[in-house]
Amino acid sequence: RKEVEQDPGPFNVPEGATVAFNCTYSNSASQSFFWYRQDCRKEPKLLMSVYSSGNEDGRFTAQLNRASQYISLLIRDSKLSDSATYLCVVTPRGGSYIPTFGRGTSLIVHP
Amino acid sequence: GAGVSQSPSNKVTEKGKDVELRCDPISGHTALYWYRQSLGQGLEFLIYFQGNSAPDKSGLPSDRFSAERTGGSVSTLTIQRTQQEDSAVYLCASSPSPQVNEQFFGPGTRLTVL
Repeated sequence: RKEVEQDPGPFNVPEGATVAFNCTYSNSASQSFFWYRQDCRKEPKLLMSVYSSGNEDGRFTAQLNRASQYISLLIRDSKLSDSATYLCVVTPRGGSYIPTFGRGTSLIVHP
Repeated sequence: GAGVSQSPSNKVTEKGKDVELRCDPISGHTALYWYRQSLGQGLEFLIYFQGNSAPDKSGLPSDRFSAERTGGSVSTLTIQRTQQEDSAVYLCASSPSPQVNEQFFGPGTRLTVL
């Protein structure tokens, strides 16, 4: 089983739609969780951290379910500019702190 | 302030040649990471530096790959005797410390081995 798994998509949605992605992780000792965004042929950039209590940033909501070992990202009122690949990132507790990146979920928002 | 920079942005080389890729992290960032990303694939971890030392080299795919970091700043990734399967985008990222998990990525070096 891969350490971090994501549905590669693509998720093809119209503008204004609500879309959700999940990401599962295998290491129960994982400590920190993040969503990064990667535009085509660009470097990844941090979108948001994921806290145990869940967190919201504008149209974006991230949640963590430690019992089931998954994190989610909800995007409301999708914009064309949201089209990108969304990478789930999980970092272990202690040790080398090397993050593990999922392969990403592709989102295409169309007019 | 300045972000992470990498050079060259593109490199085309012939099979068997050596290449050197450079990364300038954000000033003051002690942790530096190298990844590679093949077309349509996820990020593959290569090596991590804390200061000038590399506590984790586990991701280097073969002994043709090596990296160093000097002065706690600039890092170079060297690939000897390049092979076609080395073709990928090589990304460098830095963070203020390994415990601070947000990573800031450079734009990458696109390596093509003919």
